[in-house]
Amino acid sequence: AQSVTQPDIHITVSEGASLELRCNYSYGATPYLFWYVQSPGQGLQLLLKYFSGDTLVQGIKGFEAEFKRSQSSFNLRKPSVHWSDAAEYFCAFEMTSGTYKYIFGTGTRLKVLA
Amino acid sequence: DTEVTQTPKHLVMGMTNKKSLKCEQHMGHRAMYWYKQKAKKPPELMFVYSYEKLSINESVPSRFSPECPNSSLLNLHLHALQPEDSALYLCASSQHHWRVNSPLHFGNGTRLTVT
Repeated sequence: AQSVTQPDIHITVSEGASLELRCNYSYGATPYLFWYVQSPGQGLQLLLKYFSGDTLVQGIKGFEAEFKRSQSSFNLRKPSVHWSDAAEYFCAFEMTSGTYKYIFGTGTRLKVLA
Repeated sequence: DTEVTQTPKHLVMGMTNKKSLKCEQHMGHRAMYWYKQKAKKPPELMFVYSYEKLSINESVPSRFSPECPNSSLLNLHLHALQPEDSALYLCASSQHHWRVNSPLHFGNGTRLTVT
């Protein structure tokens, strides 16, 4: 079955520290992968996407993610977290056939300590 | 600023009311979506419109009625809702559905409370 797993429900980091949010997917083909961020009371904003090519992709707000096919992973990283990064982060993939639906992970809530 | 605009931002309605949620995008996208999001959960797909035709209905109860008057507008008509329908309703658009490499662009949502 198609699914996205974000193993960490909550993560707390200090401002200025590095960050890695984990994402693993289960899909029978190479998916199209995304990371979205959602601030409280807001919609989802696209941080970055991976379709093909270089497996290290750069996004907005200083985020990057690395696609590892062998591990079925697409982890999100940021070298130095800012207080404004506190939000909910969703990993998702788009099915590449059939309904072309998006499958979302359950999200990781990031808290940033001053 | 989001390029998908949703109104109203907040809505409180009784179980016998009829109300509508509105969504507008001017990016030339040909696919539009309604998602429902409960607190601390990911968005759940409700409907997909592709080229103004309903292409996916995720077995949503008939008290939710979508409408796509043109390629820029998407409405969600609400009638006889239940308290458990209280949620954040998100509209999204993409260049196309049924085609990959077409990221979703979300609006900021309508926070719906059913009393």
